[in-house]
Amino acid sequence: DADVTQTPRNRITKTGKRIMLECSQTKGHDRMYWYRQDPGLGLQLIYYSFDVKDINKGEISDGYSVSRQAQAKFSLSLESAIPNQTALYFCATGGGGIADTQYFGPGTRLTVL
Amino acid sequence: QKEVEQNSGPLSVPEGAIASLNCTYSDRGSQSFFWYRQYSGKSPELIMFIYSNGDKEDGRFTAQLNKASQYVSLLIRDSQPSDSATYLCAVNGAGGFKTIFGAGTRLFVKA
Repeated sequence: DADVTQTPRNRITKTGKRIMLECSQTKGHDRMYWYRQDPGLGLQLIYYSFDVKDINKGEISDGYSVSRQAQAKFSLSLESAIPNQTALYFCATGGGGIADTQYFGPGTRLTVL
Repeated sequence: QKEVEQNSGPLSVPEGAIASLNCTYSDRGSQSFFWYRQYSGKSPELIMFIYSNGDKEDGRFTAQLNKASQYVSLLIRDSQPSDSATYLCAVNGAGGFKTIFGAGTRLFVKA
């Protein structure tokens, strides 16, 4: 089984709809991240969490919110989706420390019409 | 100025050649440096990380770090068509709070 899973894998929605993307991990890591990827822009950090009680905004948090329900679960919500939130979204986990390798989920392709 | 900069490419090399990928970063306090590979439509996966000046080798891959010049590179020896992917440079800043990714360099290895 995959260490980091994301649901759904693909989603098409309409402007103004509320969307939740879910992420679960079995790696036992405390750190979890949400990124979006747009062509030519690389990975942009939306939110990150270093433990269940620690939530931090990333570079592009406007229009997004998150919830860390447990060490293993970290969800991303778009309260009112807009077309420029169409992107590929990745969840990642990390163990911290100087070699903070990040392990990515398979991604969710979100299209907002 | 972007915090982590990479040439977007594509970088095209023949099979068997050495591919050289470069990355510069702006935060002098950065401590850890990573190279991830991302195949089209897939998620990034770590190739290697480096945190000391100099070279670090792992199989066909060598990461090179020069903190004075704020420069990190990845060399791929004996390039194979299966190496064709986008390579993301990532930098972990002082305090290790978050990792900043470059936009990636597309590599194409011609058979």
